[in-house]
Amino acid sequence: AQSVTQPDIHITVSEGASLELRCNYSYGATPYLFWYVQSPGQGLQLLLKYFSGDTLVQGIKGFEAEFKRSQSSFNLRKPSVHWSDAAEYFCAVGDGSNYQLIWGAGTKLIIKP
Amino acid sequence: NAGVTQTPKFRVLKTGQSMTLLCAQDMNHEYMYWYRQDPGMGLRLIHYSVGEGTTAKGEVPDGYNVSRLKKQNFLLGLESAAPSQTSVYFCASSGGRRTGELFFGEGSRLTVL
Repeated sequence: AQSVTQPDIHITVSEGASLELRCNYSYGATPYLFWYVQSPGQGLQLLLKYFSGDTLVQGIKGFEAEFKRSQSSFNLRKPSVHWSDAAEYFCAVGDGSNYQLIWGAGTKLIIKP
Repeated sequence: NAGVTQTPKFRVLKTGQSMTLLCAQDMNHEYMYWYRQDPGMGLRLIHYSVGEGTTAKGEVPDGYNVSRLKKQNFLLGLESAAPSQTSVYFCASSGGRRTGELFFGEGSRLTVL
């Protein structure tokens, strides 16, 4: 079955520390991979996407993600988090069709001052 | 820069009542989507539309109806609300089938008692 797993429901990180959010997927075809962020009370916003090419992709707000086919992973990273990064982060996988996306359950990021 | 606007933002219904959620986008997007977001489950697609006058079922369409009479509007209806439909509903739009980016509204929180 096709699925996306975000193993961490919550993650707490000190401001200024590095961050890695995990995303693992099970998908039968070549995956198109996405990370979205949802700030409190807001809709989701695209952080970055991977379709093909360089497996390290850069996104907005200083985020990056690395596609590792052998591990079926697409982990999100940031070298130094800011208090404004506190939000919920969603990983999604699809075949490129916007209405075929499979979403992870989300990881809530908490920033300690 | 309105983007995607959802109304109402909050609503409380009694079981069996009906209501309509309105989504409006000002980006001239062809594709529009209705999702529901439940804790620990990520986003699930209810219905979507690939253009004015067209609609299609998503992953969880039962109990919902939709209409897309105008390109900029996508309505989600609940004919007879049930407690299982208590959720946060998100509307999204995209410029095409494979643009890779969905633009989301801020969500509508519905409680069915």
